[in-house]
Parts: sequence; structure tokens; C-alpha cells
Amino acid sequence: NAGVTQTPKFRVLKTGQSMTLLCAQDMNHEYMYWYRQDPGMGLRLIHYSVGEGTTAKGEVPDGYNVSRLKKQNFLLGLESAAPSQTSVYFCASSPPGLAKNIQYFGAGTRLSVL
Amino acid sequence: GENVEQHPSTLSVQEGDSAVIKCTYSDSASNYFPWYKQELGKRPQLIIDIRSNVGEKKDQRIAVTLNKTAKHFSLHITETQPEDSAVYFCAASRWGSQGNLIFGKGTKLSVKP
Repeated sequence: NAGVTQTPKFRVLKTGQSMTLLCAQDMNHEYMYWYRQDPGMGLRLIHYSVGEGTTAKGEVPDGYNVSRLKKQNFLLGLESAAPSQTSVYFCASSPPGLAKNIQYFGAGTRLSVL
Repeated sequence: GENVEQHPSTLSVQEGDSAVIKCTYSDSASNYFPWYKQELGKRPQLIIDIRSNVGEKKDQRIAVTLNKTAKHFSLHITETQPEDSAVYFCAASRWGSQGNLIFGKGTKLSVKP
């Protein structure tokens, strides 16, 4: 039982390049989330999903797209990376039912956009 | 929407002292308040949470108190140890809703031996 796994762990992009971050969970969780963490800004929600095939915008969705084609995977895409997207990205998941508020985090992806 | 403010942003204490971190929230419908600990370079991990049907919850050296009327909640760490050094985040949510958490901006706690 690996929990929440994020790949890659580190990535350096040039402005304008695209990439996809993968989040995988093996806990059969319904809910999945993507956050970005910047110094002094806490954790800000980018997009989230309440189940397979569903996605919704969070607090800071601009410049990102997501997909949840399989229940266990939640992908975060950057179509044209900008230096402002340099950040640490965390994925999280939570179980169905009343415990859906209890989130389990992945180890993070550190992204630098030059 | 919900807004969570967290204070202080940094806190330095001597080993063995107590530490208190405070958060206020704006949405009176919020009723679930977790605290996450993030060690340097690691993932955030849930350390304690409280729902609005109780005013206090304790787990060994950590405790959380909630004042619904004033819309604030606090994390208390007693007998601090160097391994308590980390960034602590509070959050607020509606229990049983879509699960979205609104996080405070974090408190960096340093425990000096």
C-alpha cells in the first residue's frame, strides 16, 4: 500500500514548454486534489475531482488543466509553462463518505520554470 | 467563501516550553478544523483535528481548542522537543461536504535545544 504517489519528484522546464504531473493513489479514494505551495502562501487548491470522470476548479486554476480518466489517477497539465508556475505541487486524496475531509498527501513535485 | 488566517507566521521557543498557534475562520458553516505538520522537504501530514461539536481535543502533547462564537481555533504543543520543529498549517472545511480544505498560510515553528 503505497498511499499517494507523485511523479516526477523534480522537473525543470523552459518557459512555454508543457508537462504533465501524475498522481496515483491505491487507497480507492474518491476525492483527489492538486495544490501548489509557495513560500508564505500556504497550500492553494488548483483543481479537484470528486470521482472518476469529474473535475472542478479550485482557488488558482488558471494555466492548469486536469483529467481523472481512472479513479486511481489524477493528472495535472501545464500547457505552456510560465515562471510564475515555479512551485512545489502536492497531490492529495480523501476517502468517500463522511471522512472525505481527511486528506492524505503525496510527497510533492518541485517544478522550476526558467 | 471561506478565509483562514493563521498567526504567527514564525514562532521560536526553547525546548520544553509550550507553543500556541492561532487561526481564525470566516465561514460560520465550517465545522471541521484539521492541523497538518510539514517537516522540511516532506509532505503535510494530519496531526490532529476537531469538529465543532467539541470544544477541545487532546492527543499526548498536542491539543486543539475551538471557539465557535469567536470563530477561532488554536493548536497547543506542550513540552516542545526539537522534532516538533516544522511548518504547521491549520485548515477549515464543512464536514461531509466535497472535502475541500481552506488552509492558513502556515506557521514555522523552531524549537531550540
